Amino acid sequence: GQQLNQSPQSMFIQEGEDVSMNCTSSSIFNTWLWYKQDPGEGPVLLIALYKAGELTSNGRLTAQFGITRKDSFLNISASIPSDVGIYFCAGPTGNQFYFGTGTSLTVIP
Amino acid sequence: EAQVTQNPRYLITVTGKKLTVTCSQNMNHEYMSWYRQDPGLGLRQIYYSMNVEVTDKGDVPEGYKVSRKEKRNFPLILESPSPNQTSLYFCASSRGGGSYTFGSGTRLTVV
Repeated sequence: GQQLNQSPQSMFIQEGEDVSMNCTSSSIFNTWLWYKQDPGEGPVLLIALYKAGELTSNGRLTAQFGITRKDSFLNISASIPSDVGIYFCAGPTGNQFYFGTGTSLTVIP
Repeated sequence: EAQVTQNPRYLITVTGKKLTVTCSQNMNHEYMSWYRQDPGLGLRQIYYSMNVEVTDKGDVPEGYKVSRKEKRNFPLILESPSPNQTSLYFCASSRGGGSYTFGSGTRLTVV
């Protein structure tokens, strides 16, 4: 199946810092999505991207759909303690849906 | 409230004892899917269903069965569980486009 590789694997940052993470694939995706998983819960959709080059914001979150359609980026500005969790990129290929390996974010107050 | 409900949340069982994890959604979504989550591997798709009586294998279907007799329900069946199926399982549903709603997860331990 498809492999979506996320980096970094984990991040430890101070509250108030900005965060950047990315997701790369060996093949093209026509849709990129970013999910967040809080401890003990299922993932929740944060942002959806449908067009190469698209830049979309949701509050302090900004995501970009890479021009090559093989990557996507997520930025979080001015992090707060509730940003803690695992962030997943995801995308569909045909009828299947693939998730990245995840970036674990820890915010130190 | 729109939601996906999985049961049970936690399950400890022994090798070889058949079990079923139930999943139900109240959003009239056509697409439903099961995932397992393991450390360092992200979420991997086990089976998915495009509609009633339409199911297909995901990336890791071995050792699992599913059925979709009604639109709202999509149970995951382990006929003969083994320790390598110890994992965190998620059911999800979508009306399409990748906007999934996930259940709260089922943590399964097979001893």
